[in-house]
Amino acid sequence: AQSVTQLGSHVSVSEGALVLLRCNYSSSVPPYLFWYVQYPNQGLQLLLKYTSAATLVKGINGFEAEFKKSETSFHLTKPSAHMSDAAEYFCAVTRRGGYNKLIFGAGTRLAVHP
Amino acid sequence: DAGVTQSPTHLIKTRGQHVTLRCSPISGHKSVSWYQQVLGQGPQFIFQYYEKEERGRGNFPDRFSARQFPNYSSELNVNALLLGDSALYLCASSLEGSGGNTIYFGEGSWLTVV
Repeated sequence: AQSVTQLGSHVSVSEGALVLLRCNYSSSVPPYLFWYVQYPNQGLQLLLKYTSAATLVKGINGFEAEFKKSETSFHLTKPSAHMSDAAEYFCAVTRRGGYNKLIFGAGTRLAVHP
Repeated sequence: DAGVTQSPTHLIKTRGQHVTLRCSPISGHKSVSWYQQVLGQGPQFIFQYYEKEERGRGNFPDRFSARQFPNYSSELNVNALLLGDSALYLCASSLEGSGGNTIYFGEGSWLTVV
Protein backbone atom coordinates (compact mmCIF):
# COMPACT_ATOMS: atom_id res chain seq x y z
CA ALA A 1 0.00 0.00 0.00
CA GLN A 2 1.13 3.51 -0.68
CA SER A 3 1.93 5.94 2.10
CA VAL A 4 3.51 9.33 2.62
CA THR A 5 5.59 10.50 5.56
CA GLN A 6 6.30 14.14 6.16
CA LEU A 7 9.12 14.64 8.64
CA GLY A 8 8.47 17.55 10.96
CA SER A 9 4.95 18.69 11.68
CA HIS A 10 6.24 22.22 12.27
CA VAL A 11 9.11 24.02 10.57
CA SER A 12 10.17 27.55 11.42
CA VAL A 13 12.52 29.66 9.31
CA SER A 14 13.62 33.25 9.12
CA GLU A 15 12.55 35.42 6.24
CA GLY A 16 15.12 35.00 3.48
CA ALA A 17 16.31 31.62 4.72
CA LEU A 18 16.17 28.32 2.86
CA VAL A 19 12.94 26.37 3.16
CA LEU A 20 13.22 22.57 3.23
CA LEU A 21 10.14 20.44 3.79
CA ARG A 22 10.70 16.71 3.79
CA CYS A 23 8.55 14.04 2.19
CA ASN A 24 9.19 10.32 1.84
CA TYR A 25 6.89 7.92 0.09
CA SER A 26 6.33 4.23 0.13
CA SER A 27 5.25 2.59 -3.10
CA SER A 28 6.06 -0.59 -4.98
CA VAL A 29 6.48 1.40 -8.20
CA PRO A 30 7.41 5.05 -8.67
CA PRO A 31 4.19 6.96 -8.17
CA TYR A 32 3.03 10.39 -9.17
CA LEU A 33 3.93 12.91 -6.46
CA PHE A 34 2.42 16.25 -5.56
CA TRP A 35 2.93 19.12 -3.19
CA TYR A 36 -0.08 21.20 -2.15
CA VAL A 37 -0.24 24.30 0.03
CA GLN A 38 -3.13 25.26 2.27
CA TYR A 39 -3.50 28.76 3.62
CA PRO A 40 -5.63 29.27 6.74
CA ASN A 41 -9.31 28.51 6.20
CA GLN A 42 -8.80 27.76 2.53
CA GLY A 43 -8.71 24.77 0.21
CA LEU A 44 -5.61 23.17 -1.27
CA GLN A 45 -3.55 24.81 -4.00
CA LEU A 46 -1.25 22.76 -6.21
CA LEU A 47 2.40 23.81 -5.93
CA LEU A 48 3.97 21.23 -8.22
CA LYS A 49 3.68 17.73 -9.59
CA TYR A 50 6.11 14.95 -10.51
CA THR A 51 5.15 12.64 -13.35
CA SER A 52 8.59 11.25 -14.34
CA ALA A 53 9.38 13.74 -17.09
CA ALA A 54 12.15 15.33 -15.00
CA THR A 55 13.42 14.60 -11.52
CA LEU A 56 13.68 18.29 -10.62
CA VAL A 57 10.26 19.88 -10.73
CA LYS A 58 9.69 23.62 -10.56
CA GLY A 59 6.45 24.92 -9.19
CA ILE A 60 4.73 28.16 -8.38
CA ASN A 61 5.94 30.83 -5.96
CA GLY A 62 9.58 29.81 -6.36
CA PHE A 63 9.21 26.32 -4.95
CA GLU A 64 10.81 23.24 -6.42
CA ALA A 65 11.12 19.58 -5.51
CA GLU A 66 13.49 16.82 -6.47
CA PHE A 67 12.42 13.23 -6.95
CA LYS A 68 15.05 10.79 -5.64
CA LYS A 69 14.09 7.22 -6.32
CA SER A 70 16.99 5.74 -4.34
CA GLU A 71 15.87 7.66 -1.27
CA THR A 72 12.12 7.43 -2.01
CA SER A 73 12.00 11.15 -1.32
CA PHE A 74 10.36 14.22 -2.82
CA HIS A 75 11.53 17.10 -0.65
CA LEU A 76 10.22 20.62 -1.25
CA THR A 77 12.61 23.56 -1.24
CA LYS A 78 12.63 27.30 -1.74
CA PRO A 79 15.87 29.28 -1.67
CA SER A 80 14.52 32.29 0.18
CA ALA A 81 11.45 32.25 2.42
CA HIS A 82 8.91 35.03 2.33
CA MET A 83 6.42 35.91 5.01
CA SER A 84 3.62 34.97 2.61
CA ASP A 85 4.92 31.37 2.49
CA ALA A 86 3.57 30.71 5.99
CA ALA A 87 1.01 27.95 5.49
CA GLU A 88 0.41 24.21 5.77
CA TYR A 89 2.14 22.08 3.16
CA PHE A 90 1.01 18.63 2.13
CA CYS A 91 2.88 16.00 0.17
CA ALA A 92 0.65 13.54 -1.67
CA VAL A 93 1.01 10.47 -3.85
CA THR A 94 -1.18 8.71 -6.35
CA ARG A 95 -0.43 5.48 -8.09
CA ARG A 96 0.14 5.01 -11.78
CA GLY A 97 -2.92 3.54 -13.39
CA GLY A 98 -6.08 2.84 -11.45
CA TYR A 99 -8.30 5.60 -10.27
CA ASN A 100 -7.17 9.04 -9.22
CA LYS A 101 -6.88 8.85 -5.44
CA LEU A 102 -4.49 11.10 -3.56
CA ILE A 103 -2.89 9.81 -0.37
CA PHE A 104 -1.71 12.70 1.76
CA GLY A 105 0.92 13.07 4.40
CA ALA A 106 0.01 14.61 7.74
CA GLY A 107 1.25 18.00 6.66
CA THR A 108 3.98 20.40 7.73
CA ARG A 109 3.14 23.82 9.09
CA LEU A 110 5.68 26.39 7.95
CA ALA A 111 6.19 29.49 10.05
CA VAL A 112 8.26 32.38 8.70
CA HIS A 113 9.52 34.97 11.16
CA PRO A 114 11.14 38.31 10.47
CA ASP B 1 -12.24 30.52 -15.58
CA ALA B 2 -14.05 29.35 -12.51
CA GLY B 3 -12.32 26.81 -10.34
CA VAL B 4 -13.97 24.10 -8.33
CA THR B 5 -16.91 25.60 -6.49
CA GLN B 6 -18.53 24.20 -3.38
CA SER B 7 -21.60 25.03 -1.37
CA PRO B 8 -22.38 25.74 1.33
CA THR B 9 -19.12 27.14 2.70
CA HIS B 10 -20.11 26.71 6.33
CA LEU B 11 -22.89 24.83 8.05
CA ILE B 12 -23.84 23.60 11.49
CA LYS B 13 -25.86 20.44 11.99
CA THR B 14 -27.11 18.48 14.97
CA ARG B 15 -26.15 14.88 15.68
CA GLY B 16 -28.38 12.47 13.81
CA GLN B 17 -29.25 14.90 11.06
CA HIS B 18 -28.44 14.56 7.38
CA VAL B 19 -26.30 16.89 5.26
CA THR B 20 -25.84 17.41 1.52
CA LEU B 21 -22.77 19.14 0.15
CA ARG B 22 -22.55 20.27 -3.45
CA CYS B 23 -19.71 20.68 -5.89
CA SER B 24 -19.24 21.99 -9.41
CA PRO B 25 -16.03 20.92 -11.13
CA ILE B 26 -13.84 22.98 -13.38
CA SER B 27 -15.42 23.27 -16.80
CA GLY B 28 -14.46 20.28 -18.93
CA HIS B 29 -13.42 18.10 -16.00
CA LYS B 30 -15.17 14.77 -15.90
CA SER B 31 -13.93 13.44 -12.59
CA VAL B 32 -14.95 14.61 -9.13
CA SER B 33 -13.52 13.42 -5.84
CA TRP B 34 -14.41 14.10 -2.23
CA TYR B 35 -12.01 14.34 0.70
CA GLN B 36 -12.51 14.82 4.43
CA GLN B 37 -10.00 16.91 6.34
CA VAL B 38 -10.21 16.77 10.09
CA LEU B 39 -8.52 19.64 11.91
CA GLY B 40 -4.77 19.12 12.10
CA GLN B 41 -4.67 16.23 9.65
CA GLY B 42 -4.18 15.66 5.95
CA PRO B 43 -7.21 15.13 3.72
CA GLN B 44 -8.63 11.60 3.54
CA PHE B 45 -10.12 10.23 0.33
CA ILE B 46 -13.85 9.49 0.45
CA PHE B 47 -15.03 8.95 -3.14
CA GLN B 48 -14.10 9.41 -6.75
CA TYR B 49 -16.64 9.65 -9.54
CA TYR B 50 -15.90 9.62 -13.23
CA GLU B 51 -18.48 9.90 -15.96
CA LYS B 52 -21.21 9.51 -13.33
CA GLU B 53 -19.87 6.20 -12.03
CA GLU B 54 -18.17 5.54 -8.72
CA ARG B 55 -14.55 4.71 -9.41
CA GLY B 56 -13.20 4.47 -5.91
CA ARG B 57 -14.25 4.60 -2.30
CA GLY B 58 -12.21 5.24 0.79
CA ASN B 59 -12.56 3.73 4.23
CA PHE B 60 -15.75 5.50 5.25
CA PRO B 61 -19.01 4.03 6.58
CA ASP B 62 -22.12 3.58 4.47
CA ARG B 63 -23.54 6.74 6.01
CA PHE B 64 -21.46 8.51 3.39
CA SER B 65 -22.75 8.46 -0.17
CA ALA B 66 -22.27 10.53 -3.28
CA ARG B 67 -23.37 10.86 -6.84
CA GLN B 68 -22.38 12.67 -10.00
CA PHE B 69 -24.84 14.28 -12.34
CA PRO B 70 -24.85 14.45 -16.15
CA ASN B 71 -23.32 17.93 -16.01
CA TYR B 72 -20.48 16.41 -13.87
CA SER B 73 -21.45 18.25 -10.72
CA SER B 74 -21.61 16.16 -7.59
CA GLU B 75 -23.26 15.80 -4.21
CA LEU B 76 -21.90 14.27 -1.04
CA ASN B 77 -24.49 13.05 1.43
CA VAL B 78 -23.87 12.10 5.03
CA ASN B 79 -26.63 10.51 7.10
CA ALA B 80 -26.97 10.14 10.85
CA LEU B 81 -24.31 12.71 11.57
CA LEU B 82 -21.85 12.09 14.39
CA LEU B 83 -19.72 14.61 16.24
CA GLY B 84 -16.70 13.06 14.57
CA ASP B 85 -18.01 14.05 11.15
CA SER B 86 -17.09 17.64 11.93
CA ALA B 87 -14.48 18.50 9.33
CA LEU B 88 -13.64 20.40 6.18
CA TYR B 89 -15.06 18.57 3.18
CA LEU B 90 -13.09 19.18 0.05
CA CYS B 91 -14.28 18.58 -3.46
CA ALA B 92 -11.73 18.16 -6.22
CA SER B 93 -11.89 17.73 -9.96
CA SER B 94 -9.62 16.42 -12.67
CA LEU B 95 -9.83 16.19 -16.41
CA GLU B 96 -9.85 12.41 -16.47
CA GLY B 97 -10.27 9.74 -13.84
CA SER B 98 -6.98 7.89 -13.94
CA GLY B 99 -4.04 8.24 -11.61
CA GLY B 100 -1.68 11.09 -12.36
CA ASN B 101 -4.26 13.54 -13.62
CA THR B 102 -3.77 16.81 -11.79
CA ILE B 103 -6.39 17.26 -9.10
CA TYR B 104 -7.70 20.74 -8.34
CA PHE B 105 -9.44 21.47 -5.05
CA GLY B 106 -12.25 23.76 -4.07
CA GLU B 107 -12.30 25.96 -0.98
CA GLY B 108 -14.24 23.36 0.95
CA SER B 109 -17.36 23.13 3.06
CA TRP B 110 -16.87 23.47 6.80
CA LEU B 111 -19.24 21.14 8.63
CA THR B 112 -19.72 21.43 12.37
CA VAL B 113 -21.83 18.78 14.10
CA VAL B 114 -23.11 19.73 17.55
